[in-house]
Amino acid sequence: KNEVEQSPQNLTAQEGEFITINCSYSVGISALHWLQQHPGGGIVSLFMLSSGKKKHGRLIATINIQEKHSSLHITASHPRDSAVYICAVYSGGGADGLTFGKGTHLIIQP
Amino acid sequence: DADVTQTPRNRITKTGKRIMLECSQTKGHDRMYWYRQDPGLGLRLIYYSFDVKDINKGEISDGYSVSRQAQAKFSLSLESAIPNQTALYFCATSDFPFNQPQHFGDGTRLSIL
Repeated sequence: KNEVEQSPQNLTAQEGEFITINCSYSVGISALHWLQQHPGGGIVSLFMLSSGKKKHGRLIATINIQEKHSSLHITASHPRDSAVYICAVYSGGGADGLTFGKGTHLIIQP
Repeated sequence: DADVTQTPRNRITKTGKRIMLECSQTKGHDRMYWYRQDPGLGLRLIYYSFDVKDINKGEISDGYSVSRQAQAKFSLSLESAIPNQTALYFCATSDFPFNQPQHFGDGTRLSIL
């Protein structure tokens, strides 16, 4: 089973700062997902990556397959970005092959 | 309307009671999942289903059962609830194959006293 580690576990920053959240995993994967969980509990999918880089608005996700590492960046952070960000990796083997990280709790202060 | 709807959103009940959590979806996906989320832990898979006739156990199925009543409906039951089943429960759906993004409901916060 893949081991997924996220860092930092908690992050508090000021509005406008550049944010980086990291995810590393232990076994090769076919896909990595970044998810956002808002304080109300709902979870939404932000990105699915298998290589390279993706950008959506102020969010950028990168993955380095050789180093088994991914980063999620937020530019010009805003209080509405406050949420838990979850990394999940798929390493094959059916539905059991999806492993979730514990999440990074981000707070952006105005 | 949400694509994946869970009911109830919150439930408080007592040890030994039977509980059913319901999930319905309008995504048209065949694959449906139930997860639980505990503080300090990642989401863990309880059960999943590929279609009405296909039900599979996940990592932590003990103490739970499920029913896939239709392509759009997938229910999770706790036959005799115990306090360590207190958690946030999520239903999710996905398209083929397994590495595709999953679409989550808003969660059910379940407290067992």
